[in-house]
Amino acid sequence: KNQVEQSPQSLIILEGKNCTLQCNYTVSPFSNLRWYKQDTGRGPVSLTIMTFSENTKSNGRYTATLDADTKQSSLHITASQLSDSASYICVVSLGGNKLVFGAGTILRVKS
Amino acid sequence: EAGVAQSPRYKIIEKRQSVAFWCNPISGHATLYWYQQILGQGPKLLIQFQNNGVVDDSQLPKDRFSAERLKGVDSTLKIQPAKLEDSAVYLCASSLRGGGTELDNEQFFGPGTRLTVL
Repeated sequence: KNQVEQSPQSLIILEGKNCTLQCNYTVSPFSNLRWYKQDTGRGPVSLTIMTFSENTKSNGRYTATLDADTKQSSLHITASQLSDSASYICVVSLGGNKLVFGAGTILRVKS
Repeated sequence: EAGVAQSPRYKIIEKRQSVAFWCNPISGHATLYWYQQILGQGPKLLIQFQNNGVVDDSQLPKDRFSAERLKGVDSTLKIQPAKLEDSAVYLCASSLRGGGTELDNEQFFGPGTRLTVL
């Protein structure tokens, strides 16, 4: 069964601190892996997209890594800001635009 | 470039009532998706359109849900009659195409319609 598991379920950190969110997947076939940020009351917005051959991709303070051998990905947020408070969703594409979504990690950044 | 538009943003109905949601995708995007996102879960695809044709509706509860995209642009999703378990956020997304390169099939999401069934 195609599954995407994310951890932790939720996380609270202080403003300015770094954090890392985890994603494990059992999906076949694999086309690419995406991280989305979903603010409360909004739709998900793409942060990064990585194909099988890419093992890291950055978007500002967000850095995603991919280990296709162990089927794991992480999203590292550097110097967190209050505006980073959101749900972060790991999504794996099977190709043909079929996506398998994780349940998300809810991040809360406190001042 | 305008994003994906959805309306209404919020809807509260009683069970067994009917409800309809509207979506206007990004101009020029051929593929349109409707997702159901239950609180605490990731979105689940309900139906995918390529222009005005249905590509995938395998997870659409067809006894009560219907969707159409008559002119290949905007789309409506209807629930009739609604059940308590239909309470969720209904997200619409669009992409340039349903396949091809990563840029072609990147999905852009609307803000969603939050449905509460009492």
